[in-house]
Order: sequence, then structure tokens, then C-alpha cells
Amino acid sequence: AQSVAQPEDQVNVAEGNPLTVKCTYSVSGNPYLFWYVQYPNRGLQFLLKYITGDNLVKGSYGFEAEFNKSQTSFHLKKPSALVSDSALYFCAVRETGSGGYQKVTFGTGTKLQVIP
Amino acid sequence: NAGVMQNPRHLVRRRGQEARLRCSPMKGHSHVYWYRQLPEEGLKFMVYLQKENIIDESGMPKERFSAEFPKEGPSILRIQQVVRGDSAAYFCASSPETARSPLHFGNGTRLTVT
Repeated sequence: AQSVAQPEDQVNVAEGNPLTVKCTYSVSGNPYLFWYVQYPNRGLQFLLKYITGDNLVKGSYGFEAEFNKSQTSFHLKKPSALVSDSALYFCAVRETGSGGYQKVTFGTGTKLQVIP
Repeated sequence: NAGVMQNPRHLVRRRGQEARLRCSPMKGHSHVYWYRQLPEEGLKFMVYLQKENIIDESGMPKERFSAEFPKEGPSILRIQQVVRGDSAAYFCASSPETARSPLHFGNGTRLTVT
């Protein structure tokens, strides 16, 4: 069974500092990994994904994520945090099961607070 | 290309009434997922549908809740005889066939049961 863990409920970082939001996963096959961001009163927005290839993937708004197969991790990073990055971040894994069933599992979310 | 459209954005129902939440997926998307979210909390999976088929409803309560995704028209999440505990934000997401694609989310329907 697939699972996703986001070990931190909240991450606080000062504006201008680098940020990391952690995610680890467990799947039976090759993982398709995703990060989403949610602003208040909105739906989730796709940030970036890892399918195959380079372990460092770049996404929207200056975010990037590093895929580490040995540690089964997919941490979200940004070199310099902005106050406007404050939001709820979700990691997700998706895989195809029998009969084309597209199972999607989300982590519990991490609230990022960027302090001015 | 319009995104995932959910309506209404806000829905107020009295206890015992029915709530119908609609979701129009993005054009060309054949997979629809429904999630429930309480304030400051994560997403709780409810149901996964493909056109005319319920694929996985393991997250949906057995009573009062039902979902459909007909051949024509939007996906509907229906809650009968609502109770205060049903108050939450309900999100719909759609995607094309491949697992390599991200889900595209609507902005949700906020249901308040009075």
C-alpha cells in the first residue's frame, strides 16, 4: 500500500532564508510524486512533479524538490522564502493499479509560515 | 481551457435537508476525485470516479452520501439529511487518464449546516 508522510505540521522560516518542507513516501512500484500548495479559501494548486530523470525538479514560483530514492524522500525547497509563500503545502504520490485505477495519496499537509 | 468548476461556492442547509455539490472537470479529463477538508486540516479522500463508474468509494460514509459522474454533465456529490458534522469544504479534482498527470482542483464548495 502506498503512503505519504509529512512529519512537520508547521514550518516557520524568516523571509529571505532558505526553506525546506519534508516529505517521505512508500510505494510498491515507481513513484510519481507531486507537490501542491493551498492558499486560504482556495483549492490545491500544482507546484511540481517528479516522474523520472533528474532528481532535482523545478516548479512554479521558484520552488524545487529533490527526489532521493534511497531515503524515499521528496523534500520541497526554495532558496529564499517570501512572505507570500505562507500557505499549506501537500505532498502526494500517484500510481497506477490494476485495471487502470489511479490511486492518489496525499500527506497530511505542512503549514509554512514565512516571518517578515 | 477552463479549470475545474465547482458550484455552488457556498451552500447553507438546515439539518435534515439535502445538499448537492457539482463538479465540472476540465475538458478531456475522465477521472474525478472528491475530498473533504475541515479548517486547517488535511484532505480526506471520499470517492474516485471515472465516467459512469465508481472506482473507489472507500472514503465515503455508507449512509446519506452518494456520488455520480454521468456520461454527460457534471459529477455530483449528494448528501442526504445533512447533520452539523457534515459542515466542511468539499473539493473536487480531475485528471486525464495517465498517472503522470497532476490533479487539477476546483476552489471547493463550503457547506454549512445550521
